[in-house]
Amino acid sequence: EAGVAQSPRYKIIEKRQSVAFWCNPISGHATLYWYQQILGQGPKLLIQFQNNGVVDDSQLPKDRFSAERLKGVDSTLKIQPAKLEDSAVYLCASSLGDSLANVLTFGAGSRLTVL
Amino acid sequence: GNSVTQMEGPVTLSEEAFLTINCTYTATGYPSLFWYVQYPGEGLQLLLKATKADDKGSNKGFEATYRKETTSFHLEKGSVQVSDSAVYFCALKETSGSRLTFGEGTQLTVNP
Repeated sequence: EAGVAQSPRYKIIEKRQSVAFWCNPISGHATLYWYQQILGQGPKLLIQFQNNGVVDDSQLPKDRFSAERLKGVDSTLKIQPAKLEDSAVYLCASSLGDSLANVLTFGAGSRLTVL
Repeated sequence: GNSVTQMEGPVTLSEEAFLTINCTYTATGYPSLFWYVQYPGEGLQLLLKATKADDKGSNKGFEATYRKETTSFHLEKGSVQVSDSAVYFCALKETSGSRLTFGEGTQLTVNP
């Protein structure tokens, strides 16, 4: 089966600019996650969707970050305006559901550099 | 809140050496525990998992045992290969919800 697709793989922007990342999960996976991985740190959950509804966005900086999954399939994560500390790899993952038995499959990530 | 602590890295070993990467956790209840591996340029992949105390997860020669008494889930491999060079992440999932909490990762380099 095809994996989790993410684009772009790399993006360089200046602070205060905006950026958007796209994720297409594995077909049939109801649960989609966005994680932020800062260099030298483990991934941190930003937001979790179940179909097109938000399950957990408690760690999403809502003043500048937004995410949507309008049709319950692919998703977009936006940052506006970007700050230097947003430089990180943004990982998308998906799973069949959110029970303990469901394994997360991760995409290769989108690396953001904010100058 | 929940947290995962991994041994300070990076770790450099010669081929066929024994590997241990320490992982301890803090959590309420009875979380599930995981090891993920990230090869260069690739996404995180599940390596192994354990869902209850004393369970042993194993895959590709790697093993880890869920020790509730020491709140640990150390990763071991008896004989590492150059192809094992990657970043290894310990993680936990609470009994309710599906959020994964990751440790900071340990870079493993295996030299021939």
